[in-house]
Amino acid sequence: DGGITQSPKYLFRKEGQNVTLSCEQNLNHDAMYWYRQDPGQGLRLIYYSQIVNDFQKGDIAEGYSVSREKKESFPLTVTSAQKNPTAFYLCASSPRYSGTSKETQYFGPGTRLLVL
Amino acid sequence: DAKTTQPPSMDCAEGRAANLPCNHSTISGNEYVYWYRQIHSQGPQYIIHGLKNNETNEMASLIITEDRKSSTLILPHATLRDTAVYYCIVHNSGGSNYKLTFGKGTLLTVNP
Repeated sequence: DGGITQSPKYLFRKEGQNVTLSCEQNLNHDAMYWYRQDPGQGLRLIYYSQIVNDFQKGDIAEGYSVSREKKESFPLTVTSAQKNPTAFYLCASSPRYSGTSKETQYFGPGTRLLVL
Repeated sequence: DAKTTQPPSMDCAEGRAANLPCNHSTISGNEYVYWYRQIHSQGPQYIIHGLKNNETNEMASLIITEDRKSSTLILPHATLRDTAVYYCIVHNSGGSNYKLTFGKGTLLTVNP
C-alpha cells in the first residue's frame, strides 16, 4: 500500500526541547517537502529536498533542521530556537523529475505539535 | 505563481453536483491549475490538475476556460464526505519555485 506516513499524529514539546517529526514515503518520489499550517491559514514551506543528501530552505526555515540520508525519509527537527512551534506539520512528496505529473505533491496525514 | 481567487464558502445538497469556481486572471502559459482539498485536521488531498484542456478523473472534473483565466472544479455527485476546504492553486510545473501556495480556499459544506 503506497503512500506517505507521518508520525506521531500528536507530539508534545517542553520548553527548550528539540523534537523530531518523522516522514516516510514508499512512492519512490525524488522530492520531499515540509510545510507548516497555522489555524485558519494556508501552508508555508519550511524545507524541501529534490534529491538524497541535498535540501534547501523554504520561506520559514529558522528554528528547523532536516536531513535526507535516504530517498524515502525526510525527518524534520523542531529545535528550541523555534519560538512558536505549535502548528500542524505536513510532509509531502512529488516525483519531480519523471512522468507527466512530476510536480504533483502528495501529502501525509500530518503531525500536530503542541508546546507544554 | 499566479494568484487565485475563490469564494470563501459554498453549500451543496447531497447527491447534487458541486461546482467550485476559481479565478486566476494572471496565469501564465506554463502554469498548471491544481486542485486540492483538506478535510479538517488531515493532510491536503490531491484532486486533479490541468493546463488548458478539460480533465476528468474518478474524483472530479476540471473545466478551464479558453482564455485560462478561470476554472471550475465539478464534483458530480457530492456526498457528506466531500465537506472540506477546496484549494485552487496555480503552479509552474518544472520551474524553480517548488512550493505550492495555498490560499484560504473554499469551504464546501455538503448538506443532507
